[in-house]
Amino acid sequence: AQSVTQLGSHVSVSEGALVLLRCNYSSSVPPYLFWYVQYPNQGLQLLLKYTSAATLVKGINGFEAEFKKSETSFHLTKPSAHMSDAAEYFCAVSDKNNDMRFGAGTRLTVKP
Amino acid sequence: GAVVSQHPSWVICKSGTSVKIECRSLDFQATTMFWYRQFPKQSLMLMATSNEGSKATYEQGVEKDKFLINHASLTLSTLTVTSAHPEDSSFYICSALRGLAGSYEQYFGPGTRLTVT
Repeated sequence: AQSVTQLGSHVSVSEGALVLLRCNYSSSVPPYLFWYVQYPNQGLQLLLKYTSAATLVKGINGFEAEFKKSETSFHLTKPSAHMSDAAEYFCAVSDKNNDMRFGAGTRLTVKP
Repeated sequence: GAVVSQHPSWVICKSGTSVKIECRSLDFQATTMFWYRQFPKQSLMLMATSNEGSKATYEQGVEKDKFLINHASLTLSTLTVTSAHPEDSSFYICSALRGLAGSYEQYFGPGTRLTVT
């Protein structure tokens, strides 16, 4: 069975600082990996996804993530946080059958 | 881009009544749709996979007689919460699977907040 673990339910950074949200996956087959952002009372917006092409994936809003098989990780980063980045972030893993499993989520707070 | 809508966006109902939530893919056809529920400050949990023209596949622990899913067309899936109780209060999110050039991606709706009083 596939699963993802997000380390840190809450991350707080200052505006302009590096954002690092951690995600480790468990999968018996080559995984598809995703990062989604959710604003209060809204659905999910796809930030980026890994589908076995380039290991460094660039997404929207300046976010990127690197797939590291040796570490079974897919951490999300952004060089400089913006106030509008404050939201809940979910890492997810999917197999070829599109059975998607989500991590517990990380709430990002950006301090002025 | 692919758009998925949900209706209603929020609903309040009394305990014991039934509520229907609609999920529509607006600009593409979706053979498969998914229903998730999300409790406050928690992650999304897959409830069921909805397949057009056939019975839905429910995750373990999800009562199929309580959460009725109908996927009668390629653009519409409905989730009916029957005999709702306060513990059914949650945020329900659907997604529609879109195939393009040999790959598939889930597009999520904006969610429906259900409050059962």
